[in-house]
Amino acid sequence: QKEVEQNSGPLSVPEGAIASLNCTYSDRGSQSFFWYRQYSGKSPELIMSIYSNGDKEDGRFTAQLNKASQYVSLLIRDSQPSDSATYLCAVNVQGAQKLVFGQGTRLTINP
Amino acid sequence: DGGITQSPKYLFRKEGQNVTLSCEQNLNHDAMYWYRQDPGQGLRLIYYSQIVNDFQKGDIAEGYSVSREKKESFPLTVTSAQKNPTAFYLCASTRALGRNEQFFGPGTRLTVL
Repeated sequence: QKEVEQNSGPLSVPEGAIASLNCTYSDRGSQSFFWYRQYSGKSPELIMSIYSNGDKEDGRFTAQLNKASQYVSLLIRDSQPSDSATYLCAVNVQGAQKLVFGQGTRLTINP
Repeated sequence: DGGITQSPKYLFRKEGQNVTLSCEQNLNHDAMYWYRQDPGQGLRLIYYSQIVNDFQKGDIAEGYSVSREKKESFPLTVTSAQKNPTAFYLCASTRALGRNEQFFGPGTRLTVL
């Protein structure tokens, strides 16, 4: 079983709609959860971090964490073509100063 | 202007040659990391370092070596023992021990001919 799992996609969403990206993880001791956006040929950019159960909103982005079910999600409201990218979920490894990354979900926003 | 720099952006090498990738940061970050990314894949950890003169193997350390002689610098050497070195190499750093947000450099794309 992979430690961090994401649907690789591609996920296609019309412009203006809500894009929903999901991630599950296996380490129950994980405390820190991150979403990165990666444009083709570029390096990942941190867009959201979440540490406690519930929702965290930042502009058009909302991260949701449910530790009991071991999933974290990212919602993008009013999707724009510029949101088209691969989104990577990352989770800390308990007791170590490192992250485990999912394989990423490729998101395409259609004008 | 603070940030993480990696050089070169593109690197071509012949099979059997060692090559060293540079990573420098002026953010005063404590921990530094090297990842490898293959097409359509996530990031796989090669090595990481939490303090100067100390580093730990990641999940795919075989065929790679690192050093951390200065806080600002964490070079990665891809040796001839690495069976399939062609990949996108990413360096990252973390502000302080106990904090897990990682920030990435622009990456080096290595092609072995």
